[in-house]
Amino acid sequence: EAGVAQSPRYKIIEKRQSVAFWCNPISGHATLYWYQQILGQGPKLLIQFQNNGVVDDSQLPKDRFSAERLKGVDSTLKIQPAKLEDSAVYLCASSLGRGTYNEQFFGPGTRLTVL
Amino acid sequence: SQQGEEDPQALSIQEGENATMNCSYKTSINNLQWYRQNSGRGLVHLILIRSNEREKHSGRLRVTLDTSKKSSSLLITASRAADTASYFCATDYNTDKLIFGTGTRLQVFP
Repeated sequence: EAGVAQSPRYKIIEKRQSVAFWCNPISGHATLYWYQQILGQGPKLLIQFQNNGVVDDSQLPKDRFSAERLKGVDSTLKIQPAKLEDSAVYLCASSLGRGTYNEQFFGPGTRLTVL
Repeated sequence: SQQGEEDPQALSIQEGENATMNCSYKTSINNLQWYRQNSGRGLVHLILIRSNEREKHSGRLRVTLDTSKKSSSLLITASRAADTASYFCATDYNTDKLIFGTGTRLQVFP
């Protein structure tokens, strides 16, 4: 079975620019997650979708970050404008359903460098 | 922050040796999970242990959970160079989302 796909794999931008990341989850997975992983730390959940609805976005910096999951499949995460502290790997994950007993499958991530 | 903490932060061993890493967390949980992250395969789920379980095995992995001490340990037996990776524990804190710890970087030398 195909895994979680993400693009681009790498992105370098200057501060105050905007950037967008794309994620295609495993087919049939209703729940989709975006995590931010800063170098040397564990992943931090930014937003969780159940189909095309937002379940949890309590950790999403909404003044600059936005995410959508149209039609309950693919998802995009956008940062506008970017700050230096946004440099991180952005991981997308999916699972069959909500609840932590559903195994999360992670994509390869997008490494963002903000200069 | 409710983020758990792993220790040690880094561990270096020779192939064939056992590796033990520990995770401490803050409040009650439904389950605790261990993940591995390396450059080749990204972040991969290893094992889940429920709060009413004390020990679980999967191949060369052994996980223990002590809810009275709010701690868990991951033992990798007969380590291989391919086990070189960062290992994270993740807890749910009775919610439907995971909080990841800070990770242990394991280096296995051939």
